[in-house]
Amino acid sequence: DVKVTQSSRYLVKRTGEKVFLECVQDMDHENMFWYRQDPGLGLRLIYFSYDVKMKEKGDIPEGYSVSREKKERFSLILESASTNQTSMYLCASSPPRDGSNQPQHFGDGTRLSIL
Amino acid sequence: GQQLNQSPQSMFIQEGEDVSMNCTSSSIFNTWLWYKQDPGEGPVLLIALYKAGELTSNGRLTAQFGITRKDSFLNISASIPSDVGIYFCAGPSTQGGSEKLVFGKGTKLTVNP
Repeated sequence: DVKVTQSSRYLVKRTGEKVFLECVQDMDHENMFWYRQDPGLGLRLIYFSYDVKMKEKGDIPEGYSVSREKKERFSLILESASTNQTSMYLCASSPPRDGSNQPQHFGDGTRLSIL
Repeated sequence: GQQLNQSPQSMFIQEGEDVSMNCTSSSIFNTWLWYKQDPGEGPVLLIALYKAGELTSNGRLTAQFGITRKDSFLNISASIPSDVGIYFCAGPSTQGGSEKLVFGKGTKLTVNP
């Protein structure tokens, strides 16, 4: 089974802090994704990566950056946390499409509160 | 851009009842995915559909890939309390040939014992 592990289930940080959310997958997947989930808005893609050191902006990249130094690890960085970044953050991974559409597999999420 | 419209947004049912929810789009999809998210957890893949007209079951769950390729249905038979959660449909984005998925906003299911 695919295992996507997010480093923290719950995190509380202060406004202005630099926040790191870590995600590791054990299936050698090329693609990794970061989403945020808010009530009534569903899942919104922040950034994704299709290879080491490669990244692409999703739908809501403002205020975030990412790092992918190793294939198994994808980090989401809040450069200067703000209260409107309080949310549930979900990491996902998938193999490359290669002619068939492979599902994404999700971690358990990090519930981040910015005070 | 591509959008997936899920309905209903929420459902309140009694244990033992059958449940039906659907997902529609104005665009054609060549894959439909159904995920379930338990409260406080990440989404888990329930069923993947790859062919128009395909009907696939996973225990009490049955999903169908609509023949027009613009819709999909998920049915749950004889619901139980642990069916509570949010059910999402998803399909591959065709924008830019990327690996992204498009998600519906989810159907929130509440089951009363």
